[in-house]
Amino acid sequence: QQQVKQSPQSLIVQKGGISIINCAYENTAFDYFPWYQQFPGKGPALLIAIRPDVSEKKEGRFTISFNKSAKQFSLHIMDSQPGDSATYFCAALRNAGNMLTFGGGTRLMVKP
Amino acid sequence: DTGVSQDPRHKITKRGQNVTFRCDPISEHNRLYWYRQTLGQGPEFLTYFQNEAQLEKSRLLSDRFSAERPKGSFSTLEIQRTEQGDSAMYLCASSQGAGYGYTFGSGTRLTVV
Repeated sequence: QQQVKQSPQSLIVQKGGISIINCAYENTAFDYFPWYQQFPGKGPALLIAIRPDVSEKKEGRFTISFNKSAKQFSLHIMDSQPGDSATYFCAALRNAGNMLTFGGGTRLMVKP
Repeated sequence: DTGVSQDPRHKITKRGQNVTFRCDPISEHNRLYWYRQTLGQGPEFLTYFQNEAQLEKSRLLSDRFSAERPKGSFSTLEIQRTEQGDSAMYLCASSQGAGYGYTFGSGTRLTVV
């Protein structure tokens, strides 16, 4: 059973545009929702994370929007750049848990 | 470099052979995790250690897999009698305390031929 569903699987955006990736979860015990960025041949790197007590978190060009009632959260990349081309994963962690549950990933391509 | 180190970066082995991977976590992190990532998929949890104790194992970790973390420092993951289905990226991560601040290594890419 996939506990974190991510969409779309792939995304093509023009330079300067907004990239939006969505995730939905089922387990209400999740209390930490990070986003990871992964380049080919590298491990995932933490990009930004949010807890369910806030509806939005912004760090530079990256924003997480969180809808607790809908059990959905999304990543917005503003002013997307070719260097943002990578695979993005949402994930979720249970309260004080240790196992991250990942979404299936979104391959983002930003065209110059 | 204070990141998570994994060795080797790539391993090609013949089916039926045993392989061992090593992970050196960030020195002050007491928790260490192993994940497996197949092509085009998100990482899947395999096991985790708090100091030297292995506290949780996934159903993905068959009896051909064994992990150790002697003295609570580096960790090894061994796969015995490798199968083609074991081909994947094996990722190690570490954190201090609960899993809110994972740092992943670059992984070991295993190819079983």
